[in-house]
Amino acid sequence: EAGVTQSPTHLIKTRGQQATLRCSPISGHTSVYWYQQALGLGLQFLLWYDEGEERNRGNFPPRFSGRQFPNYSSELNVNALELEDSALYLCASSLDGIQETQYFGPGTRLLVL
Amino acid sequence: EDQVTQSPEALRLQEGESSSLNCSYTVSGLRGLFWYRQDPGKGPEFLFTLYSAGEEKEKERLKATLTKKESFLHITAPKPEDSATYLCAVANFGNEKLTFGTGTRLTIIP
Repeated sequence: EAGVTQSPTHLIKTRGQQATLRCSPISGHTSVYWYQQALGLGLQFLLWYDEGEERNRGNFPPRFSGRQFPNYSSELNVNALELEDSALYLCASSLDGIQETQYFGPGTRLLVL
Repeated sequence: EDQVTQSPEALRLQEGESSSLNCSYTVSGLRGLFWYRQDPGKGPEFLFTLYSAGEEKEKERLKATLTKKESFLHITAPKPEDSATYLCAVANFGNEKLTFGTGTRLTIIP
């Protein structure tokens, strides 16, 4: 069974640009989660999508946004990039809802110059 | 607000030397406690889910236990390939998100 996939693996942008990160969940999973892992810090919850709806978001500014498509894949968009947005962005999926185990993808390494 | 504290931050063991990692948590209503393993530059790999105090789960050299305030990940006779960062996270009935600890970086020396 294929796991969670993310693209691209690496992304280099400059300050002020926009970044788009993509995630495909495990087949049959309807919930997708996004986390930010900055160097030396723990995973910080960004967004949770389920059945195409945003269900919850973490303490991040509105320039972090995303969506979930009918096939349950998801996009994370980061507008007006700042240097401190440089981090590993991780996507996870679960069968249904926050109490189910989340399975993570390999991540997208974003570097903002 | 939910809080997860993991200790120690880093642990170096000789191959075969058993030990335990600690995860202390504060949540208003625990839905589940999760253990993950993360290798450098990679996504976390799921290990265990625990739902209620007294529950135990085992996988190879790893055993996870849960009380009302903390969880332990016991590592028995570890091997160098067990070297990784071990992450603990909790899910809360109230606020619908996972809260992660900062992890314990485990190094097993051959």
